[in-house]
Amino acid sequence: QSALTQPASVSGSPGQSITISCTGSSIDVGNYKFVSWYQQYPGEAPKLIISDVNKRPSGRSNRFSGSSSGSTASLTISGLQTEDEADYYCSSYAGSSSWVFGGGTKLIVL
Amino acid sequence: QVQLVQSGAEVKKPGASVKVSCKASGYTFSGNYLHWVRQAPGQGLEWMGWINPASGDTHYIQQFQGRVTMSSDTSISTLYLHLNRLRHDDTAVYYCARIGRFSGGLDHWGQGTLVTVAS
Repeated sequence: QSALTQPASVSGSPGQSITISCTGSSIDVGNYKFVSWYQQYPGEAPKLIISDVNKRPSGRSNRFSGSSSGSTASLTISGLQTEDEADYYCSSYAGSSSWVFGGGTKLIVL
Repeated sequence: QVQLVQSGAEVKKPGASVKVSCKASGYTFSGNYLHWVRQAPGQGLEWMGWINPASGDTHYIQQFQGRVTMSSDTSISTLYLHLNRLRHDDTAVYYCARIGRFSGGLDHWGQGTLVTVAS
């Protein structure tokens, strides 16, 4: 299956809101409510920040929110902080017991 | 608390095989599917497949079929990733990760194991 499409990078200033898109197709994002988002700092393992399109795991900041429309899912980070600078990956169930990741987005906090 | 602790870094020659282990603790091992994800240097995440420790059922991404085996030993709450006929482009950090029992998110990850394939 093909990787989901994410912008290579997005940037924003502290306090602003940014949105990262994740575009799939009718066989993955457009067909299942199993879209997740992960935050990864250099040299560390990814961490789950959103599951099932818009569910925030316990302990994750409420500045992170997720949504989905058609074949595109989105991660919004509000009140941007310098600590949010990291790589972000989306993932979706793609049917037939398979999962797929996006190519990743580097968030730059100016 | 839930922990996934992986084995240490490996250096292998092309054509060899590698076995990475992932020991789980802090929850009922057979209660969650476990996935393997890899990340080549400077690249994104690549999903490899999953195993159901309760049944031993597995599913691998097509590109790894024939080269990968995922297994588990419930008596010691450990899962294994075996990759053979290694190639240079198998050089990556390999992660085990637990999927939520009632959700689609990988809610706990191992620390990663660097596998380097070099002549």
